[in-house]
Amino acid sequence: GQSLEQPSEVTAVEGAIVQINCTYQTSGFYGLSWYQQHDGGAPTFLSYNALDGLEETGRFSSFLSRSDSYGYLLLQELQMKDSASYFCAVLDSNYQLIWGAGTKLIIKP
Amino acid sequence: DSGVTQTPKHLITATGQRVTLRCSPRSGDLSVYWYQQSLDQGLQFLIQYYNGEERAKGNILERFSAQQFPDLHSELNLSSLELGDSALYFCASSGTTRNEQFFGPGTRLTVL
Repeated sequence: GQSLEQPSEVTAVEGAIVQINCTYQTSGFYGLSWYQQHDGGAPTFLSYNALDGLEETGRFSSFLSRSDSYGYLLLQELQMKDSASYFCAVLDSNYQLIWGAGTKLIIKP
Repeated sequence: DSGVTQTPKHLITATGQRVTLRCSPRSGDLSVYWYQQSLDQGLQFLIQYYNGEERAKGNILERFSAQQFPDLHSELNLSSLELGDSALYFCASSGTTRNEQFFGPGTRLTVL
């Protein structure tokens, strides 16, 4: 079967750095996406990694290791507005997005 | 604003009833996806349409059905509603970049 594993909850302090991991087992792999969802809101696209390495977009970075079937989202200089759920999703060989269960990020002042 | 619209925003109905949720994708997007999200849960993929044709099916119950019309808007029909169907229903659309889906604001369905 296809599965993505990510922690259910992560807690960090405002101003700090936090990493949210995602491991996957899917039939085929084109890339790994990350989405952010605030409570009551809609998911919004953050990043996509098709190749190994680190992609940086402002305070957010996303990393992929295809050989390890592993990726992570790195959030720097955490702000209270970053409190949200973060989903990883794999684009599989059928061009379908397979979603993780989401990680709730709690930020404390 | 993602460009994806969903109506209605809220829907309250009774068990056993039938409802229709509507979605208009971003201009030019041919793919439409439907998701169900129960309270504090992840996104459950229901079904995908591409240019009017069913493309992929997820964990969609037989009581649920969907279609995509020639103008590319889509409707999700939920029938014989149960209490457990109470959830947020999201529609998303994508264009040629299939890894990036644009989500509508969702329809919150409450079944009493």
